[in-house]
Amino acid sequence: AQSVTQPDIHITVSEGASLELRCNYSYGATPYLFWYVQSPGQGLQLLLKYFSGDTLVQGIKGFEAEFKRSQSSFNLRKPSVHWSDAAEYFCAVSAGKSTFGDGTTLTVKP
Amino acid sequence: EAGVVQSPRYKIIEKKQPVAFWCNPISGHNTLYWYRQNLGQGPELLIRYENEEAVDDSQLPKDRFSAERLKGVDSTLKIQPAELGDSAVYLCASSLRRGHNEQFFGPGTRLTVL
Repeated sequence: AQSVTQPDIHITVSEGASLELRCNYSYGATPYLFWYVQSPGQGLQLLLKYFSGDTLVQGIKGFEAEFKRSQSSFNLRKPSVHWSDAAEYFCAVSAGKSTFGDGTTLTVKP
Repeated sequence: EAGVVQSPRYKIIEKKQPVAFWCNPISGHNTLYWYRQNLGQGPELLIRYENEEAVDDSQLPKDRFSAERLKGVDSTLKIQPAELGDSAVYLCASSLRRGHNEQFFGPGTRLTVL
């Protein structure tokens, strides 16, 4: 069965600092991987996705993620965080059926 | 282009009462999903439709939950009777077709069962 682990429940960073959110997945083959963002009271919005090819993928809002097969990871990064990035972030794996992690809440300090 | 529409946005009911949620997916999207999101957790799939057909309902508690997608467009998710543990956000999502396509999510319905 596929599964997703987001080890960090809550992360706080200062505005302008870099960000990395961790995601580890479990699946027998190379899955399709996604990062979504959810603002309070809103649905989930896709930030980026990995299907195949280049292991470094670019997304919206200046986010990127790197797929590392050897580590079963798909970590999300942003070089400089803005206050508007404060939200909850979900990693998901899809092999026909989507499985989501429990999310990481990002707080941005001024 | 309009996004996924859900109503109501909030619902408060007493236990043992029935409740229904409505979802209108993005036009042209054949695949529709209902998820339940408990506080502090990620969404969990309840049911997935391909057009009118429910193709994955293994996580749907069929003793009290039901869903339908008439004409392959709008969908309704019903709970009868509701229990305290059903308090959660119910999210609807749609995608062009099955598989690994991007899912577009609605804002959700926050259900509180008292």
